[in-house]
Amino acid sequence: DGGITQSPKYLFRKEGQNVTLSCEQNLNHDAMYWYRQDPGQGLRLIYYSQIVNDFQKGDIAEGYSVSREKKESFPLTVTSAQKNPTAFYLCASSIGVYRGNEQFFGPGTRLTVL
Amino acid sequence: AQSVTQLDSHVSVSEGTPVLLRCNYSSSYSPSLFWYVQHPNKGLQLLLKYTSAATLVKGINGFEAEFKKSETSFHLTKPSAHMSDAAEYFCVVSELSGSARQLTFGSGTQLTVLP
Repeated sequence: DGGITQSPKYLFRKEGQNVTLSCEQNLNHDAMYWYRQDPGQGLRLIYYSQIVNDFQKGDIAEGYSVSREKKESFPLTVTSAQKNPTAFYLCASSIGVYRGNEQFFGPGTRLTVL
Repeated sequence: AQSVTQLDSHVSVSEGTPVLLRCNYSSSYSPSLFWYVQHPNKGLQLLLKYTSAATLVKGINGFEAEFKKSETSFHLTKPSAHMSDAAEYFCVVSELSGSARQLTFGSGTQLTVLP
């Protein structure tokens, strides 16, 4: 069964702690993305990666970090520098970054900072 | 620069009546346009996409959308709403930004289907 998995589904963090969100895909896609979704808003791009060992900042990268050591995996670390981390985080992948390529989304991780 | 505006934040329809979700876009180039649906606490699912072929695009679950360049619109329609259509819908535009194609999401339209 091909798809994108994200874990955990729900995550709680104390202020000042770093936390890493997992994203794995078995679609053999080159490109992967992380988005943040807040209530009543669309998705905002945090980071994206077009290929292994390469990634670029999106619109709201401050306070986040990523790595892309394997094609299948694109973990996101929410650092203590992120001032308002409580949100729903979505990972996505696509064949490439060409105009017509749709993105496939994982089920999301809801992060709550206590 | 690209942008997308979903004209209604909430739409309510009765089951069996038509659905219209409105989307206007702004793009410097010929864009690709998508509609995604999101059920509560779930990821996004692609409904349909436009990539400069036919202007009337048919998607899954009976949805379709028409690309109108003169009006810069890409409205989503369905002839007859079903209770399972209740969800949030996102209109998305894609064009070149820097070194990669990126998506810009609308703020979403919450569709309520009344029995």
